[in-house]
Amino acid sequence: DAKTTQPPSMDCAEGRAANLPCNHSTISGNEYVYWYRQIHSQGPQYIIHGLKNNETNEMASLIITEDRKSSTLILPHATLRDTAVYYCIVRVAPGTYKYIFGTGTRLKVLA
Amino acid sequence: SQTIHQWPATLVQPVGSPLSLECTVEGTSNPNLYWYRQAAGRGLQLLFYSVGIGQISSEVPQNLSASRPQDRQFILSSKKLLLSDSGFYLCAWSQKGGYGYTFGSGTRLTVV
Repeated sequence: DAKTTQPPSMDCAEGRAANLPCNHSTISGNEYVYWYRQIHSQGPQYIIHGLKNNETNEMASLIITEDRKSSTLILPHATLRDTAVYYCIVRVAPGTYKYIFGTGTRLKVLA
Repeated sequence: SQTIHQWPATLVQPVGSPLSLECTVEGTSNPNLYWYRQAAGRGLQLLFYSVGIGQISSEVPQNLSASRPQDRQFILSSKKLLLSDSGFYLCAWSQKGGYGYTFGSGTRLTVV
């Protein structure tokens, strides 16, 4: 089954870029990588997803390596409100409807 | 637009009591529906998912059950709660094809 690996925690200064890495070396060829974040006591919130090309939206940018075995979520100008747990997820296997969440990366933005 | 409703937001129940948590989705049809649980300080654990009415897949042996009596309704139940059932329960839906999830706001269950 495909799975992801993320560092357990990171700190980032307010106003600086936060770069959150994710390893997904077992990802299948046509599976997307999704990023969510969870602020304390709330449901996870969708951030961005991608397949092969880099993606950008109003929340973040996603950089996917050419071999697709890893990706990096970039919050270009982190604010205190970006403090949350960030999850990188992929589908367990093609044709399934299951996504496995690991423990994510706890990002703390420092004033 | 699609919305997902989950209630109640918080619940305190005694050990041995029954449980019923409800989740409904609006603005879509034939969604995939999911129940996740998050223990304190832990990641999200997939409990059940459903691809259609009456179709339930259980991921982890446990004291809980799920039902899908209507297309956009997903219910999580227990006949007798255990202390270990405490946690943050999240309902989610996705479109067929598996393009990510949308989560509800969650129910924080404390079994005392």
